[in-house]
Amino acid sequence: QVQLVQSGAEVKKPGASVNISCKASGYTFTIYYMHWVRQAPGQGLEWLGIINSSSGSTNHAQKFQGRVTMTRDTSTSTVYMELNSLRSDDTAVYFCARGLYCSGGSCPDYWGQGTLVTVSS
Amino acid sequence: QSVLTQPPSASGTPGQRVTISCSGSSSNIGSNTVNWYQQLPGTAPKLLIYSNNQRPSGVPDRFSGSKSGTSASLAISGLQSEDETDYYCAAWDDSLSGYVFGTGTKVTVL
Repeated sequence: QVQLVQSGAEVKKPGASVNISCKASGYTFTIYYMHWVRQAPGQGLEWLGIINSSSGSTNHAQKFQGRVTMTRDTSTSTVYMELNSLRSDDTAVYFCARGLYCSGGSCPDYWGQGTLVTVSS
Repeated sequence: QSVLTQPPSASGTPGQRVTISCSGSSSNIGSNTVNWYQQLPGTAPKLLIYSNNQRPSGVPDRFSGSKSGTSASLAISGLQSEDETDYYCAAWDDSLSGYVFGTGTKVTVL
């Protein structure tokens, strides 16, 4: 079965960087995209970006341009998301989600369990 | 900053039908298919409806989706206590070249 297992919770100081991993199993890794989505405490879902697991090409939400980097390692079926210059409002649960091809682009179906990132001085 | 607009809350008694609306624009719902996610407290979202009205395997047929123009709806028939949670609509946005979510709706079973 499809599984996405993310790395554990992180506590970071403002200005630092965080790197979250998402290891995929149960499907052919390179056929699907991978999305990154976050959810601040008590808030809704916010899309950060997407990576093509085959080519490694990425696309990010304008809000995160210059601050987010997405990479993948096809040998371990793992994607990584690094967010730098962290601020307190980056405190959130970060999810990876497998991306199906869908109308217009790609749509998440299976999701990881989430990684809590807390930014605090 | 959500691009798609949902009512913040909806409610019904057990057995009733509840409908959640999702309003977008020509660059998202007007051009592409709509997906719906259910998110139980403290857990990751779960795909509930894809391609406007398709249910993934295992999703009860009490859940149904529809789309018209730049709006979409999720209906829950025969409301049950376990349906009390948050629901989000979403779609690809051609102008933003990204995926956009709705503001979210909390369903309460009275």
